Amino acid sequence: DIVLTQSPALAVSLGQRATISCRASQSVSTSSYNLMHWYQQKPGEQPKLLIYDASNLASGIPVRFSGSGSGTDFTLTINPVQADDIATYYCQQSREFPLTFGSGTKLEIK
Amino acid sequence: EIQLQESGPGLVKPSQSLSLTCSVTGYTITSGYDWSWIRKFPGNKMEWMAYISYSGGTNYNPSLKSRISMTRDTSKKQFFLQLNSVTTEDTATYYCARRKAGSLFDYWGQGVMVTVSS
Repeated sequence: DIVLTQSPALAVSLGQRATISCRASQSVSTSSYNLMHWYQQKPGEQPKLLIYDASNLASGIPVRFSGSGSGTDFTLTINPVQADDIATYYCQQSREFPLTFGSGTKLEIK
Repeated sequence: EIQLQESGPGLVKPSQSLSLTCSVTGYTITSGYDWSWIRKFPGNKMEWMAYISYSGGTNYNPSLKSRISMTRDTSKKQFFLQLNSVTTEDTATYYCARRKAGSLFDYWGQGVMVTVSS
């Protein structure tokens, strides 16, 4: 299985940039696609798709969210961070089955 | 608007079977996307469990393959999860979700918490 590694937590100040990383145990990219996706989950809510194929913004997601990366290293950026962004962020790969998720990064406010 | 809603017992005894239903509104489950079960354990680990395709084929996580089954009732726009021989390690919040091409999940249910305990 492809293991996705995320840092457990990240503290940032409101209005600043947050950079959340996800490292895969093997490449999740093909010649055409970077098969990494990002979700936001707030307490008591279901996960919400933010970014698909590493860098594409899902429908209705604010442009302060962006994604980048290829191969094994991927990044979700939130700039600027707002109070409503307090949540846990998960990466998920779809390069191969079984589909796997990262352990989540909890975004906290300094 | 597409909505998914999980239902099922919140408490299951060890060694018994866990059965959950996902009801879909706003979309026909045979119309071209697949439907998954995903669970989140205490401590936040998430695990993709299985999907059933719009045509009825299934794909299971090998870690669960001997215990899991997904079925559907297209007339009711429902799909189902059965997990056999549960243990306390199956305690989790269970989500159903729509799987898009590219194996990302764009619509999720609110989740149902299931505790395995005697």
